[in-house]
Amino acid sequence: GAGVSQTPSNKVTEKGKYVELRCDPISGHTALYWYRQSLGQGPEFLIYFQGTGAADDSGLPNDRFFAVRPEGSVSTLKIQRTERGDSAVYLCASSREGIQNTEAFFGQGTRLTVV
Amino acid sequence: GDSVTQMEGPVTLSEEAFLTINCTYTATGYPSLFWYVQYPGEGLQLLLKATKADDKGSNKGFEATYRKETTSFHLEKGSVQVSDSAVYFCALYDGGYNKLIFGAGTRLAVHP
Repeated sequence: GAGVSQTPSNKVTEKGKYVELRCDPISGHTALYWYRQSLGQGPEFLIYFQGTGAADDSGLPNDRFFAVRPEGSVSTLKIQRTERGDSAVYLCASSREGIQNTEAFFGQGTRLTVV
Repeated sequence: GDSVTQMEGPVTLSEEAFLTINCTYTATGYPSLFWYVQYPGEGLQLLLKATKADDKGSNKGFEATYRKETTSFHLEKGSVQVSDSAVYFCALYDGGYNKLIFGAGTRLAVHP
């Protein structure tokens, strides 16, 4: 595809449920990032993949959050036992290499609402 | 840890007015600095960047200069247009951490 694709664009779930958010990066981009953007705030870093491995997961808020990228392309962010405080826009970005050398391209995000 | 502080919005201007959005940063190393823009209904887009002190990034009439002595990267445009209405995010990238750190964003509204 032409850009970073995130699905679904909107997700409403009940408190306590499990959700998966998907990110399709630009083809050939080895670096992939997940961010969370709460209302009125800037994006907050969650996790960074280089290829298949999570190079930095220091931004994941707790063990309810997990992300995978098994084949070095598509990534899934998984949230267990969702809480109302998890409501936010979840952004995915990819870059050809690291951000230092190449531009990071962002998807339009998945808006998660936990009711 | 590293952080970015930018002026609170919203900033409301008339068309053709001069724009400044202030951004300052705190970093332990020598980061690269970025401005991203988010137009209504769209994803974040890179607007401009600067990778070392005294570099000036520019794009679409916007400019920002990397000032190490004042740890600042203020965004400026000489004559704004209605189409510039968006949310602007200042960000830094510290290679040691492999991630972008964003400010809270500044909403700009330009009226005809």
